[in-house]
Amino acid sequence: GDSVTQMEGPVTLSEEAFLTINCTYTATGYPSLFWYVQYPGEGLQLLLKATKADDKGSNKGFEATYRKETTSFHLEKGSVQVSDSAVYFCALRSLSGYSTLTFGKGTMLLVSP
Amino acid sequence: EAGVAQSPRYKIIEKRQSVAFWCNPISGHATLYWYQQILGQGPKLLIQFQNNGVVDDSQLPKDRFSAERLKGVDSTLKIQPAKLEDSAVYLCASSPPLGRGGSYEQYFGPGTRLTVT
Repeated sequence: GDSVTQMEGPVTLSEEAFLTINCTYTATGYPSLFWYVQYPGEGLQLLLKATKADDKGSNKGFEATYRKETTSFHLEKGSVQVSDSAVYFCALRSLSGYSTLTFGKGTMLLVSP
Repeated sequence: EAGVAQSPRYKIIEKRQSVAFWCNPISGHATLYWYQQILGQGPKLLIQFQNNGVVDDSQLPKDRFSAERLKGVDSTLKIQPAKLEDSAVYLCASSPPLGRGGSYEQYFGPGTRLTVT
């Protein structure tokens, strides 16, 4: 079945540091890929997405590129802020089924001033 | 526009008791999802509705969990009787119909944190 593997956290960074959170997936065909963010006490929010190979999703300074050859969708940001502290979830939506999302376990990011 | 609403936000019950959660999706969203998010894990789909009908409930523990979506709008998720392992955050999400420019994007509510003691 479909699965998503994320690097374990927490990831602890100083403000303005470079961020990478690794995400790899297993799925049949060509799924759509997503990054969701969950701030403390809130629901998940879509951060960015990519629907086909080589697509780059971007939002709020975050980027991720759909790499079919390595089945990866790593999240990056050039300069993190304290306000980026949250849990980040990588997810895929297979083309089969009814738009069901399969999530990774999440990676907590802690940014200190 | 208003987001997905859920209530209550927090609930503490003893094992073997029953509990119900309520969700009001974004207006006009045809598809509604219930997820279970256990601490330290990603959300897991329990059930998906398309309007009034169930399209996927393969991961719903039907011996104790039930869900309904009357009139294709609000939904309730019930657990009866609860077990310790049901302690989790229960997330509701909705997505618009594809015919109206929808893109399968799911919009999540804030969740209900359930603690079973």
